[in-house]
Amino acid sequence: QVQLVQSGAEVKKPGSSVKVSCKASGGTFSSYAISWVRQAPGQGLEWMGGIIPIFGTANYAQKFQGRVTITTDESTSTAYMELSSLRSEDTAVYYCARGVNYNLLDAFDIWGQGTMVTVSS
Amino acid sequence: DIQMTQSPSSLSASVGDRVTITCRASQGISNYLAWYQQKPGKVPKLLIYAASTLQSGVPSRFSGSGSGTDFTLTISSLQPEDVATYYCQKYNSAPFFGPGTKVDIK
Repeated sequence: QVQLVQSGAEVKKPGSSVKVSCKASGGTFSSYAISWVRQAPGQGLEWMGGIIPIFGTANYAQKFQGRVTITTDESTSTAYMELSSLRSEDTAVYYCARGVNYNLLDAFDIWGQGTMVTVSS
Repeated sequence: DIQMTQSPSSLSASVGDRVTITCRASQGISNYLAWYQQKPGKVPKLLIYAASTLQSGVPSRFSGSGSGTDFTLTISSLQPEDVATYYCQKYNSAPFFGPGTKVDIK
């Protein structure tokens, strides 16, 4: 069974960038889409964007265009999400999640454990 | 952009009750609709996708229905372990989640 294991918690200054990793183990990585979803404290879920590793082209939510970059390293079965120009409103838990089928636009059946990113001066 | 609404925003029911949560899309989304359960401090869990397909391992008391703009998630007999927030998500285009429905036990 595929597992997604994310990197640890981060504390960042406003204006800086953060890069979160998501390593897949136990199954096929390249063919399934990996998305990034965030959840601010006490709030709902927000899709940021996703990528299908075998194709390599990411698709981003309009809200995050120009500020988020999603990439993959097939050699290590790892996906990355980098968010720049951080502000306090970016304080959230960031999840990676795998699509059920081989589509970028999909439901998400396997989730990473989440990475807390705190933006504070 | 397609917006998703859920009702009610919260509910309290007794063990064994039938519980229904509604999700509405501002435009038709065919059956590109999923439901998730999130317990406090935990990772979201996929319950239903394609509006009515039960994800493997999910108890059969959960069911989904609907197409187009109106969808429902039903818990046929509420159990204490079902206390959670439930989110719908559309994925016909850029994925977008509803605001959630918090379910607890009366």
